[in-house]
Amino acid sequence: GAVVSQHPSRVICKSGTSVKIECRSLDFQATTMFWYRQFPKQSLMLMATSNEGSKATYEQGVEKDKFLINHASLTLSTLTVTSAHPEDSSFYICSASLRGSSYNEQFFGPGTRLTVL
Amino acid sequence: QQQVKQSPQSLIVQKGGISIINCAYENTAFDYFPWYQQFPGKGPALLIAIRPDVSEKKEGRFTISFNKSAKQFSLHIMDSQPGDSATYFCAASLRNAGNMLTFGGGTRLMVKP
Repeated sequence: GAVVSQHPSRVICKSGTSVKIECRSLDFQATTMFWYRQFPKQSLMLMATSNEGSKATYEQGVEKDKFLINHASLTLSTLTVTSAHPEDSSFYICSASLRGSSYNEQFFGPGTRLTVL
Repeated sequence: QQQVKQSPQSLIVQKGGISIINCAYENTAFDYFPWYQQFPGKGPALLIAIRPDVSEKKEGRFTISFNKSAKQFSLHIMDSQPGDSATYFCAASLRNAGNMLTFGGGTRLMVKP
């Protein structure tokens, strides 16, 4: 149980285009979903926190107009990278917290490798 | 402000040896301390976690030792295997802060056969 999927697993796009990444909790309802980005050989950097039906909370330095997050249901959150540029190339990872759990666990997706040419 | 400091950055251990990774935190309100294992090109996977009301937790070859007074916790991997070669991240979170995880910088472990 507690499986989180991401789609696509990797995407290559041209500079200036927009890319949407989906994050789904497959067998549980997620209270909260988190979006991270990770550069090579570095730790995970939290970009934003999203709760179903409400606006995402972005971390300092993350442009909310560039990284659009939609949390349409308790099992789906999407991250759209708008007008992508080469510096947006990174590994994007989502995670989800288990709704109703007395614990703090976050379950991570497999990640999406974005390459902007 | 880096709230969770992890060391070492990299670690090489012989097969069968013990791998030890340490973390120190600053916020005494943290109430959950997980360790994640990440293989290249994959998302992190929860390995083991501990709460501050216990000093040790063991699951198979993996043990967390927790020292509340020192604000430190560590991961011990007994009988390390080449398949354990990965990057390990400690983290800490606070439930009433929305379970947001604060990650350490990571440790790249290589277990030599």
